[in-house]
Amino acid sequence: EILMTQSPATLSVSPGERVTLSCRASQRVSSNLAWYQQKPGQAPRLLIYGASTRATGIPARFSGSGSGTEFTLTISSLRSEDLAVYYCQQYNYWPRLTFGGGTKVEIK
Amino acid sequence: QVQLEESGGGLVKPGGSLTLSCEASGFTFSAHYMSWIRQAPGKGLEWVSSITSTGGTIYYADSVKGRFTISRDNVKNSLYLQMNSLRAEDTAVYYCARDEGGDDAWSGYFSWGQGTLVTVSS
Repeated sequence: EILMTQSPATLSVSPGERVTLSCRASQRVSSNLAWYQQKPGQAPRLLIYGASTRATGIPARFSGSGSGTEFTLTISSLRSEDLAVYYCQQYNYWPRLTFGGGTKVEIK
Repeated sequence: QVQLEESGGGLVKPGGSLTLSCEASGFTFSAHYMSWIRQAPGKGLEWVSSITSTGGTIYYADSVKGRFTISRDNVKNSLYLQMNSLRAEDTAVYYCARDEGGDDAWSGYFSWGQGTLVTVSS
């Protein structure tokens, strides 16, 4: 099983600040990585796929980068509505899909 | 727009059974692979099962293989998950998820329904 490790577990950030979330795969997953945002009490929402392609309707302040085993999700200027848990997911080994443990972004 | 509405969750005793349903609308259901993904309370996400667009090929996580059965009805635009021999560790919100590939191909990433809670407890 491909293990996805996210860091940090929790991040406390002020509005307007730049946020960088990390995701590491235990084996190379090429660019077959997605990011999801899960707000409290809601279902996950697709943000990024192919490591760097924004899904439909996702604001430009969200960007993804990386390939192989190291990936990053960046929020260029945090807004209060970005309070959420962010998950990475590899699909290189479909259908054996695996998710990271999540990074909780708190608003300072 | 894409709508996925799960139902069928509830409280069930260990060893019991439950069937979840997911009604899809707003897209060509028969063209998409579909999956069930679960989230235990306060925990992360776990892939459970996937089914191809025709239902001809099915995949399961090792944790549910032999106990859960995924199926679909492309006439009714519905996805199902029959869960038998339920255990406490199956307690979770179960999400119906549309694979974004379409055209009878997988992409590996998803749009999600709102989920239905399954609680396994005596």
